[in-house]
Amino acid sequence: GAGVSQSPRYKVAKRGQDVALRCDPISGHVSLFWYQQALGQGPEFLTYFQNEAQLDKSGLPSDRFFAERPEGSVSTLKIQRTQQEDSAVYLCASSTQGEDEKLFFGSGTQLSVL
Amino acid sequence: AQSVSQHNHHVILSEAASLELGCNYSYGGTVNLFWYVQYPGQHLQLLLKYFSGDPLVKGIKGFEAEFIKSKFSFNLRKPSVQWSDTAEYFCAVNWATDSWGKLQFGAGTQVVVTP
Repeated sequence: GAGVSQSPRYKVAKRGQDVALRCDPISGHVSLFWYQQALGQGPEFLTYFQNEAQLDKSGLPSDRFFAERPEGSVSTLKIQRTQQEDSAVYLCASSTQGEDEKLFFGSGTQLSVL
Repeated sequence: AQSVSQHNHHVILSEAASLELGCNYSYGGTVNLFWYVQYPGQHLQLLLKYFSGDPLVKGIKGFEAEFIKSKFSFNLRKPSVQWSDTAEYFCAVNWATDSWGKLQFGAGTQVVVTP
């Protein structure tokens, strides 16, 4: 596609429910990142993949958060037993390989936990 | 802990006025610096970046930023704003000790340009 695609655009979950958020990066992009953006804040890093390898997951806030990218393309961010504090916009970004390459962000998934 | 601070949360100015947004980061060694912009209803996009070399960098849409190492600052400027510059602006830092795409963002500055 032309850009990074995320689905669903909006997700409402009841507290305790599991959710799965999908990211389709730009075709051919090796690197993929997940960020969490709370209301009124800047994005916060969650995790980073290079192809299918998860190279950095230092930003995942708890063991309820899990991300995968099994074939090195589409990625899924899963949140188990959602809590109200998980309410945020979840952003995905992708990039070609290389330290001077810019990140291309998707429009995000807005998660509301009631 | 490493931190990124943006001086203003909201800025309102008239068309043709000059814009300067402040950004400071905590000491932490070698850094790569970025400004991202989010226009209403759109995704985050890169305005400009500094990795090394000339500390005055030029970006898209007439924006520029100056890296002052001694002040740990990377302020964004535009001499004359337009109504279309209404957006939220984020400063971001990548510390050299981190994964290259691991950015730490400031809280953002909402800029409103009035006609």
